[in-house]
Amino acid sequence: GAVVSQHPSRVICKSGTSVKIECRSLDFQATTMFWYRQFPKQSLMLMATSNEGSKATYEQGVEKDKFLINHASLTLSTLTVTSAHPEDSSFYICSARGHTFQHFGDGTRLSIL
Amino acid sequence: DAKTTQPPSMDCAEGRAANLPCNHSTISGNEYVYWYRQIHSQGPQYIIHGLKNNETNEMASLIITEDRKSSTLILPHATLRDTAVYYCIVRDAGGTSYGKLTFGQGTILTVHP
Repeated sequence: GAVVSQHPSRVICKSGTSVKIECRSLDFQATTMFWYRQFPKQSLMLMATSNEGSKATYEQGVEKDKFLINHASLTLSTLTVTSAHPEDSSFYICSARGHTFQHFGDGTRLSIL
Repeated sequence: DAKTTQPPSMDCAEGRAANLPCNHSTISGNEYVYWYRQIHSQGPQYIIHGLKNNETNEMASLIITEDRKSSTLILPHATLRDTAVYYCIVRDAGGTSYGKLTFGQGTILTVHP
């Protein structure tokens, strides 16, 4: 079946570092991908909708200059957390919109020291 | 999208059927009911979805009431690996919010031996 691959699965880095997370749809083309964030013991919160070839649409309260999204091809979207700080530590999950439902990656656990 | 209400937690004995309820009393005619589950530290996994008819696949059955104001996800023979957070989501089939999933708190299902 359809698979979404997310890389890396875990990142630990120093405060002030920028971190890039990749999300790939492996066997289907995804014109739309989504980025979610999940804090411990909380539910997933949608951060932004990424459309191939156009600017991402950010949810209210999500800083677009902090979380840069690029969706340059039909199989790849990237999320860059710029100048990450400890409060950005979280579980970041991407998904790709398939024909009838969304397919999710396995998430990236980001820890900022 | 319509809001959903689920019990925060449920228990089930291994091998028995797990019946997870969901209320979506404000659902509108073009909104689908989706079920996903999230096993600890993984991305959500699609289970099943439906509009008004009952649905069954290799994972589960979805029973939607005639007035569509509630539904039940049935795992016919729960195993320990079914322990997860189960999310019931009502999603618009079209419009500007197409594809967006709004996750609530879900139901923590614990399957015990």
